[in-house]
Amino acid sequence: AQKITQTQPGMFVQEKEAVTLDCTYDTSDPSYGLFWYKQPSSGEMIFLIYQGSYDQQNATEGRYSLNFQKARKSANLVISASQLGDSAMYFCAMREGNTGFQKLVFGTGTRLLVSP
Amino acid sequence: DAGVIQSPRHEVTEMGQEVTLRCKPISGHDYLFWYRQTMMRGLELLIYFNNNVPIDDSGMPEDRFSAKMPNASFSTLKIQPSEPRDSAVYFCASSLGLLQETQYFGPGTRLLVL
Repeated sequence: AQKITQTQPGMFVQEKEAVTLDCTYDTSDPSYGLFWYKQPSSGEMIFLIYQGSYDQQNATEGRYSLNFQKARKSANLVISASQLGDSAMYFCAMREGNTGFQKLVFGTGTRLLVSP
Repeated sequence: DAGVIQSPRHEVTEMGQEVTLRCKPISGHDYLFWYRQTMMRGLELLIYFNNNVPIDDSGMPEDRFSAKMPNASFSTLKIQPSEPRDSAVYFCASSLGLLQETQYFGPGTRLLVL
């Protein structure tokens, strides 16, 4: 079974609009972390935002926020005021368990295209 | 601060040749990870180290792949002999290792095996 599911292969958004990239996860572990990474066409993987399973509030980092709905096991990324430079692949990832277990499992990614 | 450093950035080799990929993690990070990214399989964890010791190598595809971490500032991923299906982008990442800590990725090595 897929641990991380990203159902949107591609998304389009106009500059300055907000966009939500979907991510659902599957785990029975009460302790886990959720991450979003951005991969532009140049290829590097850039960390965007982190949400811990015990965090009471949704994570925010500048224009990025994470809509964490624990009961639904979803961790959607919201990008506000999209910019042309936001065009990239976006990956959701999960790390399960305690500090001794460091394995990250990635989703298949969503390609975001921001148009002028 | 320097991020994760990988070399070479690009490698083209012929089938059967030995390939060695190198990684220098962020100073002070005690976890190091090797990932492979392909169109067909996405991002896969190959192996990771904690304090230079391999912890989980269940993602290493076969015996042709080996990884070492002789010290805290250097790791290698070796493929011998290489095959065309090994063509991929190989990423190295490092982290402090706490649950909340992020894995920071290097720029990747784009490998093409002809």
